[in-house]
Formats: sequence, structure tokens, C-alpha cells
Amino acid sequence: EMVMTQSPATLSVSPGERATLSCRASQSVSTKLAWYQHKPGQAPRLLMYGASTRATGTPARFSGSGSGTEFTLTISSLQSEDFAVYFCQQYYRWPSWTFGQGTKVEVK
Amino acid sequence: EVQLLESGGDLVQPGGTLRLSCAASGFTFSRYEMNWVRQAPGKGLEWVSYMSGSGSAIFYADSVKGRFTISRDNAKNSLYLQMDSLRAEDTAVYYCAKFGDLPYFDHWGPGTLVAVSS
Repeated sequence: EMVMTQSPATLSVSPGERATLSCRASQSVSTKLAWYQHKPGQAPRLLMYGASTRATGTPARFSGSGSGTEFTLTISSLQSEDFAVYFCQQYYRWPSWTFGQGTKVEVK
Repeated sequence: EVQLLESGGDLVQPGGTLRLSCAASGFTFSRYEMNWVRQAPGKGLEWVSYMSGSGSAIFYADSVKGRFTISRDNAKNSLYLQMDSLRAEDTAVYYCAKFGDLPYFDHWGPGTLVAVSS
């Protein structure tokens, strides 16, 4: 199974600061990686796909990078609505799509 | 606007059965691959099952294979998950999720809670 490992588990950041989230794949997934934002009680929301392509409606302060096994999601200047849990997901291995355990971005 | 709304979650005893439904709107349902994804308490997301737009292709996670059955009714714009022989470890919020152009999940419902406990 393709294992996705996210770090850190929790990231404490002040509003306006930069947040950097990491996702590592146990094997290469090329750039077949997506990022999601998840707030309690809500539907998860697709943020990025293809490792670096913003989904419709994703603000420009979100950027993604990486390929192979190492990926990064950066939020350039955290807004109040960005405090949430973020998951990465690989879609390289068909039909066994797997997610990371998530990074919670909380207010410092 | 794409909308997905799950229903059918409940408290059920181990060994019991449950059927989840997902009502879809805002897109041509029959053209899109659909999935069920779950999140157990305190855990990450786990893909559960996939069905192609026509229903001709179906996949399951090993953890539910032989116990869960995915189906869809394109005339009713609905996706279903029949859950049999439920176990405590099936306790989770279950999400209905649509694939985009590639197998990432571009739209999700708000989820329905399944609790398996005696």
C-alpha cells in the first residue's frame, strides 16, 4: 500500500504568518497528489491537484510544490478561515487511493 | 452548483446492516465516477469504494471487501452503500465524493455518521 505521511501533525501559526505543510509518499507518485482542507462538520474541500494546480476557488495564497515522494503545501499569509485540517492524497496507485493522516493548522 | 448529501447513518449493533444514500445534484451524475470515503474518530481519511459512471467498474478497499456493496441509480441521481456484517472499526463519518477529471475528489458531501456499538 502506498503510505502517505504528513508532518507536522499540528502546526501553530499566527494570522498573517506563513504555514508550510509537508506530505511524503512511500513510493513515487509523480505529481499525482491532491490537497484538501477540512473543517469540523463540513465537507472536505479540494484545494490543489497535480501537486501544484489550484482548484477552482482556491485563493492564490495557497501554493503547492513537489514531485516524486516529497510535497509541500504553503499558505503564504494565514487568514482566519484557513485554520483547519489539511490532508494530502495520492492518485497514482489505481484503485488504491490513500490519504495522509492530516495536519491541523491552529491559531498560535 | 454541485451538491452531494448523504443520509442513512445510524447507531447499529456489531453484525448489523445499514444502507447509506447520497443524493447528487448540479451535474450530470451518470457521467461521473463516484466514491465513498470514511473518517473514523481521531483518524485520517480512508477511501472505501468506487463505482464508475455506468456502474460497470467497482472497487473496494480490502477492509470492507465482501461486506460492503456500492451501487447507483443514475435515473435518481443517487449513490448507495450497503453495509453488512458491521464491525466496531467501521464506526466513522462516511462521505460521498465525486471524482474530477482524474481520481482526486473534487466534491464531497458533509458526511453521515455510522456508529457500530452494542
